Amino acid sequence: DIQMTQSPSSLSASVGDRVTITCRASQSISFYLNWYQQKPGKAPKLLIYAASSLQSGVPSRFSGSGSGTDFTLTISSLQPEDFATYYCQQSYSIPKTFGQGTNLEIK
Amino acid sequence: QVHLQESGPGLVKPSETLSLSCFVSDDSISSYYWSWIRQPPGKGLEWIGYISYSGSTNYNPSLKSRVTISLDTSKNQYSLRLSSVSAADTAVYYCAREGIRGSTYYFDYWGQGTLVTVSS
Repeated sequence: DIQMTQSPSSLSASVGDRVTITCRASQSISFYLNWYQQKPGKAPKLLIYAASSLQSGVPSRFSGSGSGTDFTLTISSLQPEDFATYYCQQSYSIPKTFGQGTNLEIK
Repeated sequence: QVHLQESGPGLVKPSETLSLSCFVSDDSISSYYWSWIRQPPGKGLEWIGYISYSGSTNYNPSLKSRVTISLDTSKNQYSLRLSSVSAADTAVYYCAREGIRGSTYYFDYWGQGTLVTVSS
């Protein structure tokens, strides 16, 4: 199985901050990397697919980059509704695997 | 906009079989791949497996011996069966559609999730 490791596991930030979350794969996954946002009691929501493509309807303050083993999710200016848990997920091989999550909290 | 809705018992006894269904609101069930994903309380996400529009399946090796996913296009639904459950199978179970763009796949539509507790 491909292991996905996110850092940090938790992060405190303020409204307006620029935030970056990192995801590292245990082997190369090309650009087959997706990012999701999950709020308490809700299903995950797709933000970014194929490492850098913004899902329809997702605000442009979200962006993704990377290829191979190292990827980043950046939120350019945090909004109050962005405080949530973020997961990366690889779709390169079976079984599809997720990172452990990054909990983004209000400072 | 496709909607997915899980249904099934919220309580299952240890050693019994967990059975859930996911209703898909439109005919896209005949065109995509359909997954089950679970999340133990307070923990991360685990992919269980998928079934394609043609009925082919692929399962997480960690669960493969206990999992069956089936498809009923006439009812616009697909189902999960997980046998010999234990407390470790207690989780919120999500159904999700696997969208595709080129060669890349992603979970673009999700059900709201249903909590299944394994307890006697």
